[in-house]
Amino acid sequence: DAKTTQPPSMDCAEGRAANLPCNHSTISGNEYVYWYRQIHSQGPQYIIHGLKNNETNEMASLIITEDRKSSTLILPHATLRDTAVYYCIVRVGGGSNYKLTFGKGTLLTVNP
Amino acid sequence: DTAVSQTPKYLVTQMGNDKSIKCEQNLGHDTMYWYKQDSKKFLKIMFSYNNKELIINETVPNRFSPKSPDKAHLNLHINSLELGDSAVYFCASSQDTVRAYEQYFGPGTRLTVT
Repeated sequence: DAKTTQPPSMDCAEGRAANLPCNHSTISGNEYVYWYRQIHSQGPQYIIHGLKNNETNEMASLIITEDRKSSTLILPHATLRDTAVYYCIVRVGGGSNYKLTFGKGTLLTVNP
Repeated sequence: DTAVSQTPKYLVTQMGNDKSIKCEQNLGHDTMYWYKQDSKKFLKIMFSYNNKELIINETVPNRFSPKSPDKAHLNLHINSLELGDSAVYFCASSQDTVRAYEQYFGPGTRLTVT
């Protein structure tokens, strides 16, 4: 799985958009980008994933650059409950790859 | 209506003891996992079972033995507990191995070995 780089921490004001970057410059053509988050004292939670097109669901949007070397997770209107560690994971999708490899992630703190 | 549940939530025990952590999922998923999150917050996979069969066994001491009596349950038994086993253990499940990217995690079991 390709290596990812994320800032260790970010702050965001409540109600504003939170933009969390992830660098994955060694990503290969068959690797997807996945995002999870872990709220304090809880298990990780799947957010969204994508290959090369931008994706949106009820939780967030995922913007992947055209060269696929980086991506941004966008929480459009951050709330205090969005304070969590956000993990960007790059891995080959499906097939026999059953593992998720979590890095250090970004601690997002949403401030009132 | 808890999706993935673990018992106990907290476990405090002495070195050398044997303990078990239980996990149950009511999502009808085929694949289940055990992860360990250490004090530095790194989350690492330990085991995975698909339809009660072991498919992932990372470099985990053989004091750790997972058991899957049925698809909905994956228990973790730990023999001869050591101080370094202190961590939060998370159980997770996914619909199947193809959708392994979308895992549902339990609330965790905080194990403290004294």
